[in-house]
Amino acid sequence: SQELEQSPQSLIVQEGKNLTINCTSSKTLYGLYWYKQKYGEGLIFLMMLQKGGEEKSHEKITAKLDEKKQQSSLHITASQPSHAGIYLCGADMRDNYGQNFVFGPGTRLSVLP
Amino acid sequence: EPEVTQTPSHQVTQMGQEVILRCVPISNHLYFYWYRQILGQKVEFLVSFYNNEISEKSEIFDDQFSVERPDGSNFTLKIRSTKLEDSAMYFCASSQGTWLTDTQYFGPGTRLTVL
Repeated sequence: SQELEQSPQSLIVQEGKNLTINCTSSKTLYGLYWYKQKYGEGLIFLMMLQKGGEEKSHEKITAKLDEKKQQSSLHITASQPSHAGIYLCGADMRDNYGQNFVFGPGTRLSVLP
Repeated sequence: EPEVTQTPSHQVTQMGQEVILRCVPISNHLYFYWYRQILGQKVEFLVSFYNNEISEKSEIFDDQFSVERPDGSNFTLKIRSTKLEDSAMYFCASSQGTWLTDTQYFGPGTRLTVL
């Protein structure tokens, strides 16, 4: 089955610390998205990456897609309590049966003040 | 800033009943999607819709499910005869272009509880 893996499953950091969340696939990703989900709420789009080696930044969050387009990382610099939530990667994963949009299981981030 | 809206925020229904979940996508968007998230599990793709027809659907989207864009603004998901395992958060999303090129914007979700 088409799967995305995320690591770590959960993360607790002190405010001000940097952190990295990873998203890995065994197949080439044709579009990789990062979302944030606040507990019990909808998904908030963060970034979309399409090209191998691409890197995008928004405020204190940077996302990269590796050259092989099979792994992406999300890096938060100087974390704040407002960064707390569940971070999901999602990707367009194509196979012989067509396209399918798949989400990773999520990484739960807690930021301690 | 335009946003995707969903109603109701919470729907409780008896097993076997029909439910219709409603979504109002962003007005100039052309692609529409439904996802679900069973409590504690991954977000799962259900269906994508473009030009008044289904363009992709997952294995989850069986004959019990249907989608419709009845009036040019609403996008609905109907579950004909709900089962206990349909209890989940259902998210609608829309995008201007396909998910290959454009961002999907998600609604806040409808929590469906089947008793």
